[in-house]
Amino acid sequence: DVKVTQSSRYLVKRTGEKVFLECVQDMDHENMFWYRQDPGLGLRLIYFSYDVKMKEKGDIPEGYSVSREKKERFSLILESASTNQTSMYLCASSLAAQGYGYTFGSGTRLTVV
Amino acid sequence: RKEVEQDPGPFNVPEGATVAFNCTYSNSASQSFFWYRQDCRKEPKLLMSVYSSGNEDGRFTAQLNRASQYISLLIRDSKLSDSATYLCVVTSSASKIIFGSGTRLSIRP
Repeated sequence: DVKVTQSSRYLVKRTGEKVFLECVQDMDHENMFWYRQDPGLGLRLIYFSYDVKMKEKGDIPEGYSVSREKKERFSLILESASTNQTSMYLCASSLAAQGYGYTFGSGTRLTVV
Repeated sequence: RKEVEQDPGPFNVPEGATVAFNCTYSNSASQSFFWYRQDCRKEPKLLMSVYSSGNEDGRFTAQLNRASQYISLLIRDSKLSDSATYLCVVTSSASKIIFGSGTRLSIRP
């Protein structure tokens, strides 16, 4: 089974802090994604990556950046955390890019105070 | 108007009932369609793909209506374990993948 591991299940950070969310997958998948999930808004794509050192903006990239130095690892960075970034963050990986066969990590619930 | 819309529910039905819900999409160029299931406080997991000809997996049937731009999910003989949020996913290109907000289903004994 593909495993996608997110480093933290719960995180509390202060406004203005730099926050790193780590995601690691173990099945050699090319494609990795970062979503945030908020009540009533569903999952929204922040960034995605089709290959090492490659990244593409999703629908809501503002306030975020990403890093993909190795194929198995995709990091999401909040440069200066703000309270409106309080959310559930979900990482996913897949062989195919178009929504099929996504495997999600268990999520990181980030609270910015 | 949202690009992908789902009735948030909750749909509250008795065990053994048949329940169906839809997901509408606005982009007629949409190419691929899927249903995911998400349990409370868990990550989404792929339930099934939706093909033009419709597809069935046990008690679950998914259908696509391109003319009216919606997909549907039918669950027969519902079980308590079917209680979850069902998310539809619509893709129009490799970078345009949109999740619906989900429909909450609750099966009562």
